[in-house]
Amino acid sequence: DTGVSQDPRHKITKRGQNVTFRCDPISEHNRLYWYRQTLGQGPEFLTYFQNEAQLEKSRLLSDRFSAERPKGSFSTLEIQRTEQGDSAMYLCASSSLAGGHRETQYFGPGTRLLVL
Amino acid sequence: AQSVTQPDIHITVSEGASLELRCNYSYGATPYLFWYVQSPGQGLQLLLKYFSGDTLVQGIKGFEAEFKRSQSSFNLRKPSVHWSDAAEYFCAVGLDTGRRALTFGSGTRLQVQP
Repeated sequence: DTGVSQDPRHKITKRGQNVTFRCDPISEHNRLYWYRQTLGQGPEFLTYFQNEAQLEKSRLLSDRFSAERPKGSFSTLEIQRTEQGDSAMYLCASSSLAGGHRETQYFGPGTRLLVL
Repeated sequence: AQSVTQPDIHITVSEGASLELRCNYSYGATPYLFWYVQSPGQGLQLLLKYFSGDTLVQGIKGFEAEFKRSQSSFNLRKPSVHWSDAAEYFCAVGLDTGRRALTFGSGTRLQVQP
């Protein structure tokens, strides 16, 4: 049973650069979520997809952030013109539609971003 | 909007001692409740979940949690802590309608003394 995978696990970048993260959900999971976690805090929701449709975006997702899930499988999260405040752990989770509202989200290992 | 409070930022227990981590939520209806554990630098692993029915739920690694509607609580317990349980524990709330995102508490860091 393959879990949620994320790539890269760590990314160091300079302020102003663009970065892109990838998430591969559990096979056949229809829903995919992105969360952000800063030091000492719980994860905060950014956005989610059902198949290829992006159905909800948090106000945390500024216009420098964009997420895609073009074929309803893997997803990418891009941050343009990174700022030091973007330094965080970016977590991906997936869940199945089969449970309806009673869904369980399974998380990947995360991508830790450090903006210098 | 729903919210989750984990009152204890940091807890230290001795190996073999019992453990209870507190979680209180604020939501108008019955929420779906989860406990996740996170080791340093890692993602979140699901320990247990509550949707409905029996208010005492069993999870992995010997953990259990009890939903108490009257207290808006979902406390996590373990009768005997092992050194490998040292980690950060997060309580989360999901909704039965509308918004799909989980709302997390700020976490409780558990330290285990030998």
